[in-house]
Amino acid sequence: SQTIHQWPATLVQPVGSPLSLECTVEGTSNPNLYWYRQAAGRGLQLLFYSVGIGQISSEVPQNLSASRPQDRQFILSSKKLLLSDSGFYLCAWSVTGGNTEAFFGQGTRLTVV
Amino acid sequence: TQLLEQSPQFLSIQEGENLTVYCNSSSVFSSLQWYRQEPGEGPVLLVTVVTGGEVKKLKRLTFQFGDARKDSSLHITAAQPGDTGLYLCAGTASGGSYIPTFGRGTSLIVHP
Repeated sequence: SQTIHQWPATLVQPVGSPLSLECTVEGTSNPNLYWYRQAAGRGLQLLFYSVGIGQISSEVPQNLSASRPQDRQFILSSKKLLLSDSGFYLCAWSVTGGNTEAFFGQGTRLTVV
Repeated sequence: TQLLEQSPQFLSIQEGENLTVYCNSSSVFSSLQWYRQEPGEGPVLLVTVVTGGEVKKLKRLTFQFGDARKDSSLHITAAQPGDTGLYLCAGTASGGSYIPTFGRGTSLIVHP
């Protein structure tokens, strides 16, 4: 069966510090991978998606970047965090060419102080 | 402009009551998913509907896809405190990209 791991679960970082959130998927090959941000328990804002190794599409220009160094690894990064980067970050995967059912990680609560 | 509009945004009810939440769009969707999310966790997929008029049941939850595939509803019978959470609909518009678009969700609280 497929599983998705996202870590850490919570993170408190000072303004100006770097960020690296990691997500890995097991039990499937060539998944579509996504990073979302969710504010205040509401809808999901798509930040980045990837259809393959090294292929990253950005939906919203901001202080973040994403990378996919391996087929089942997706990383969200920032060189210098802003207060406005605080939020709940979710990684997800879906089957390539499927009906877009998405399967989510547990999420990372990021607080920038 | 939100592609998927969910209503109501908030719902607070007593245990045992019935409720319906809605997901509407002006676009036709090739498929539509419903998720439930509990605080501090990722959304969990409940169901996918793909055929216009389709009805799916998951215990006390009934999901319906509109005949024109532009809207969907989720009906919960005899709600329980364990049903508390954020209900999200998502889908991809026909002829659009494969990337799922999410509604803003309906936050449900069921009081014991």
